[in-house]
Amino acid sequence: DIQMTQSPASLSASLGETVTIQCRASEDIYSGLAWYQQKPGKSPQLLIYGASSLQDGVPSRFSGSGSGTQYSLKISSMQTEDEGVYFCQQGLKYPLTFGSGTKLEIK
Amino acid sequence: QVTLKESGPGMLQPSKTLSLTCSFSGFSLSTSGMVVSWIRQPSGKSLEWLAAIDWDGDKYYNPSLKSRLTVSKDTSNTQVFLKITSVDIADTATYYCARTRDTMGITTDFDYWGQGVMVTVSS
Repeated sequence: DIQMTQSPASLSASLGETVTIQCRASEDIYSGLAWYQQKPGKSPQLLIYGASSLQDGVPSRFSGSGSGTQYSLKISSMQTEDEGVYFCQQGLKYPLTFGSGTKLEIK
Repeated sequence: QVTLKESGPGMLQPSKTLSLTCSFSGFSLSTSGMVVSWIRQPSGKSLEWLAAIDWDGDKYYNPSLKSRLTVSKDTSNTQVFLKITSVDIADTATYYCARTRDTMGITTDFDYWGQGVMVTVSS
């Protein structure tokens, strides 16, 4: 199985601050990476797919980048509604696997 | 509008078989390329992909649980089912079904999710 290692486990950011979350795959996943946001009591919501493509309806302050085994999610200007847990997921091969999550809070 | 909704027993005893149903609308599992997955999440933890079934009836399982899982779909292609045999306390989780798409031919992701159904395994 492809292992996904996410960092940091948690972080807090001020309104308007730029936030970056990292995800590393145990092998090259050829940009087969998605990012999800999950708010308390809710199901995950797809933000980014194919490492850098923005899902329809997702604010443009979210962006993804990376290649090979290293990927990142950037929030260019932290907003209150961005609080939640973020997960990365590799989509290259089955079994599909997720990172351990990053909890993002407002400082 | 794509919607999915899971249903299940809520609580069951160890060693029993868990049966879950995913009812969806806004797409048909008979359409080429369509896939529906089951994913679970213990409280406060990450997500674990369990199984998937595609439009052609092909099934995919997580090897770590494969011997206990059975995924199937109904003939109207509007429901997907998951059975987990010999449940244990470790199977306590929220179970989601999600529409699964093959994007750009190079990656698979989940673009629509159900609200999830909480399942507790307890004696």
